[in-house]
Amino acid sequence: QNVVTQEPSLTVSPGGTVTLTCASGAGPVTSGYWPNWFQQKPGQAPRALIYSTSKKHSWTPARFSGSLLGGKAALTLSGAQPEDEAVYYCLLYFGGSYVFGTGTEVTVL
Amino acid sequence: QVQLVQSETEVKKPGASVQVSCKASGYTFTTYYIHWVRQAPGQGLEWVGIMNPLGGSTDYAQKFKGRVTMTRDTSTSTAYMELRSLSSDDTAVYYCARERSVGASPSGLVDLWGRGTLVTVS
Repeated sequence: QNVVTQEPSLTVSPGGTVTLTCASGAGPVTSGYWPNWFQQKPGQAPRALIYSTSKKHSWTPARFSGSLLGGKAALTLSGAQPEDEAVYYCLLYFGGSYVFGTGTEVTVL
Repeated sequence: QVQLVQSETEVKKPGASVQVSCKASGYTFTTYYIHWVRQAPGQGLEWVGIMNPLGGSTDYAQKFKGRVTMTRDTSTSTAYMELRSLSSDDTAVYYCARERSVGASPSGLVDLWGRGTLVTVS
């Protein structure tokens, strides 16, 4: 059973920058894992932000970006806004099956 | 518009089965895979499985194999997930989400989610 790990919580100041990571217990994350990132606010369905490591959807704010960093998938939020407070999940593809990360709760304070 | 509309809340007894539906509209149903994902109260997202509406092929998370079946009705653009032998541990919101197909394979582009269906087992 593949395990995908994220930071449990991170805090960022308004206007600041924060990087969330997504690690696989199976080894370094590569583009072949098709990393996706989702944002979920309380009581809402998840919303897609990033797919295929770094590609943005048409609705993704420019302040969000995706990359690979040190063997992990990464989501960087530059210029945090109060409305960015949420839980963020990554999703990795393991060749037929998928696994969500454990989720990172981001506080803008 | 492009959307995934899920069925309403379900309340089931332990040992029963539940079927959740996900009706697609605004796009060609067979050009996107359908994922099923669940979220127990206060917990994270858990991947249940994926179905290709084009041919009906499926892949399930190991944890659910033997207990889940994903099907579709292409005439109504509706995907279904049936979960059997329910226990209180299956109490969760069940979401469907779509992933674009490239030929007969997924593409890594997951974009649209349904609003979720609450299944309570009690």
